[in-house]
Amino acid sequence: DTEVTQTPKHLVMGMTNKKSLKCEQHMGHRAMYWYKQKAKKPPELMFVYSYEKLSINESVPSRFSPECPNSSLLNLHLHALQPEDSALYLCASSQVSSSYNEQFFGPGTRLTVL
Amino acid sequence: AQRVTQPEKLLSVFKGAPVELKCNYSYSGSPELFWYVQYSRQRLQLLLRHISRESIKGFTADLNKGETSFHLKKPFAQEEDSAMYYCALNDDFNKFYFGSGTKLNVKP
Repeated sequence: DTEVTQTPKHLVMGMTNKKSLKCEQHMGHRAMYWYKQKAKKPPELMFVYSYEKLSINESVPSRFSPECPNSSLLNLHLHALQPEDSALYLCASSQVSSSYNEQFFGPGTRLTVL
Repeated sequence: AQRVTQPEKLLSVFKGAPVELKCNYSYSGSPELFWYVQYSRQRLQLLLRHISRESIKGFTADLNKGETSFHLKKPFAQEEDSAMYYCALNDDFNKFYFGSGTKLNVKP
């Protein structure tokens, strides 16, 4: 299995809702990432998990809360989002060691905040 | 600090013409550089990486440390090459920096 899967594909939520995005991979990768991508812009790194521990938080607001329950799963919990948080949220995974750090991307979750 | 620069937002060429997508980087260590491609309605996927020095779908890219560049080239563009191309740099801490992207449009 060489794919990163993400659910749901689309999500519409109000500013008071609590929702979660899910990401899964079974390639044995021990680094997992969340990116935010606005239309016609490059992906912006949000969080990096390495060996299930948060290693990088790119000053993301606390209304985004990542979780890595095991080496195959990555969640992004959403609470009290703003309309400007509407974007495509991408999950990626890679090996941790250097030299072969290709990132595999999921298809993304298209999030709309009303 | 901007680590990866792609100066062209849009590049339009005719089918069969050569194409070069520019990428310049700034990094003090030994960078790992990649080209990712995003076809319409598809996920972002790796096209090639400098460390493997391979040719994928006719594309090549050579790391030029003197000019800090990693330009993507193809001698004869095809219509199916039309897509968004991102140059990316991986630093020593597993952080990927993406360029702003170049949209390649290959006209028939």
